[in-house]
Amino acid sequence: GESVGLHLPTLSVQEGDNSIINCAYSNSASDYFIWYKQESGKGPQFIIDIRSNMDKRQGQRVTVLLNKTVKHLSLQIAATQPGDSAVYFCAENNWGGSEKLVFGKGTKLTVNP
Amino acid sequence: NAGVTQTPKFRVLKTGQSMTLLCAQDMNHEYMYWYRQDPGMGLRLIHYSVGEGTTAKGEVPDGYNVSRLKKQNFLLGLESAAPSQTSVYFCASSYSKRTSGVETQYFGPGTRLLVL
Repeated sequence: GESVGLHLPTLSVQEGDNSIINCAYSNSASDYFIWYKQESGKGPQFIIDIRSNMDKRQGQRVTVLLNKTVKHLSLQIAATQPGDSAVYFCAENNWGGSEKLVFGKGTKLTVNP
Repeated sequence: NAGVTQTPKFRVLKTGQSMTLLCAQDMNHEYMYWYRQDPGMGLRLIHYSVGEGTTAKGEVPDGYNVSRLKKQNFLLGLESAAPSQTSVYFCASSYSKRTSGVETQYFGPGTRLLVL
């Protein structure tokens, strides 16, 4: 069945360093992936998405990499700032099929000053 | 443009009481969703709707009912609250795939529910 998981439940980095958050997915039919950021006490906030016909997509300080061969997704945050401290979720969707997203359990990123 | 809003923000119920959570979106989205979030469990889909007047079950629908009488509103009802329904509830909405070809969901700020 569909499942999305994360390798590391917590990640602690120094301010200014780059962060990499990983996500594994099991549904080979999934063709759309999203990263969300959730700050304490708030709802998930869209960060960046990527379709399966792409390997890489860049945003402002963030990059998402997709490796379909090993069904792996990663979020890279450049020059991590204290405001990046949050829980990050990946989510997957089969665009041609379900209207639903399947979410991973999340990785908590802590940025140390 | 307020996006997705939820009311109330926080509620305490006694076991057996009923309540309705309201979600509203002003983005003209066709799809709306209700999730619950529990520690270590991630987001789990309760019910969703792909259009006005339609609803469908998600992953954990038992004990909940929903209604989508207007396109901009999605109501989540608890007929007889149980302590196991203590959670944070999030509403989300998105365009349909037919309209935009994407499935990005936009979330509300959440409702914290405590059932004693």
